[in-house]
Amino acid sequence: EDQVTQSPEALRLQEGESSSLNCSYTVSGLRGLFWYRQDPGKGPEFLFTLYSAGEEKEKERLKATLTKKESFLHITAPKPEDSATYLCAVQAFGNTGKLIFGQGTTLQVKP
Amino acid sequence: DVKVTQSSRYLVKRTGEKVFLECVQDMDHENMFWYRQDPGLGLRLIYFSYDVKMKEKGDIPEGYSVSREKKERFSLILESASTNQTSMYLCASMPPSVADTQYFGPGTRLTVL
Repeated sequence: EDQVTQSPEALRLQEGESSSLNCSYTVSGLRGLFWYRQDPGKGPEFLFTLYSAGEEKEKERLKATLTKKESFLHITAPKPEDSATYLCAVQAFGNTGKLIFGQGTTLQVKP
Repeated sequence: DVKVTQSSRYLVKRTGEKVFLECVQDMDHENMFWYRQDPGLGLRLIYFSYDVKMKEKGDIPEGYSVSREKKERFSLILESASTNQTSMYLCASMPPSVADTQYFGPGTRLTVL
């Protein structure tokens, strides 16, 4: 069964304190892995798509990496405005675009 | 930029009422999705559609139906709302290509009393 597990559930950082969020997955055939950011009461906002092991993508203070079993979202020198829930999802081949989501990691960055 | 809009941000209904949630996208995407999001359960797929008048059940379709009469519009229908359908409902659309991104709307927070 295709599955996504994110850890930790919650993370508190001081402003400037770098860290990583983990997304472990099992999927029959990975078509793509997606990272989203979600602010309270809002819809998920797309961040990155990764397609194959070894791929990396960056956007401002965020960098996403992918291996055959997991993905990391690295946050470098975070700011309070980076506080949000970060969602990871996978899409398998032959699944007509369906996404399987993890539970998310809620990040709080304190000034 | 892709824009996905949902008809209401907040909705309060009574048990037994018929509820319509509407979603509109402006990018001519074939694929559209309805999810619900609940604390501790994450996002769960209710229904999706890959073309006009086409629909497929997701993981939790019970108590819901959908309608896709036009490409840009995908409606979620709660035939007889119940309190356990109180949730955040999210619509998404996706173009038909290799592993492409789903773009989400702002969500509708539905409360059933």
